[in-house]
Amino acid sequence: IAGITQAPTSQILAAGRRMTLRCTQDMRHNAMYWYRQDLGLGLRLIHYSNTAGTTGKGEVPDGYSVSRANTDDFPLTLASAVPSQTSVYFCASSPDRQSALHFGNGTRLTVT
Amino acid sequence: KNEVEQSPQNLTAQEGEFITINCSYSVGISALHWLQQHPGGGIVSLFMLSSGKKKHGRLIATINIQEKHSSLHITASHPRDSAVYICAVVPNFGNEKLTFGTGTRLTIIP
Repeated sequence: IAGITQAPTSQILAAGRRMTLRCTQDMRHNAMYWYRQDLGLGLRLIHYSNTAGTTGKGEVPDGYSVSRANTDDFPLTLASAVPSQTSVYFCASSPDRQSALHFGNGTRLTVT
Repeated sequence: KNEVEQSPQNLTAQEGEFITINCSYSVGISALHWLQQHPGGGIVSLFMLSSGKKKHGRLIATINIQEKHSSLHITASHPRDSAVYICAVVPNFGNEKLTFGTGTRLTIIP
């Protein structure tokens, strides 16, 4: 692992199903973020974590949950997927809130 | 109105041209990021700046805090510079989370 790894790369999911998007970083960064990217809207923050054991809500948190049990992992869970959650999801990390971000390669999720 | 506005939304230029992409924002900020996203989706951080100017290779980023404006310049543009360039600001109030512009799609024609 080098940097941030997201899995899966892409997924087609039936509405109502539960799904967890995985994000792992090996840089020992304190801060981690989940964004969704939709055409014409730019990147929007879903949830964030400033350090292991803490999480916070971003701009569009409804329908999503996160956990930060350790420094490296920051999974994003869709408890019951809906078509409006079709998007490209990016995980990012930074040493702290004022430092440059490092992004994963994204997960393209389609909810049918 | 989006707190971060980029212009132009799309830009097509010939190889070798000098490129300028603009970013204006409406809130007080502690820092501004420029990001690059290539077709296929990966996002790379180019610059983070809070004042003045930064240069990396053919890329130059400037910021004017008083005018709430930043520019990204590319000298001697090349087709491999074709990408979406995204401006993002860190507001200096609230939860200090990044607010993103919608990006400028740059296409450099050989």
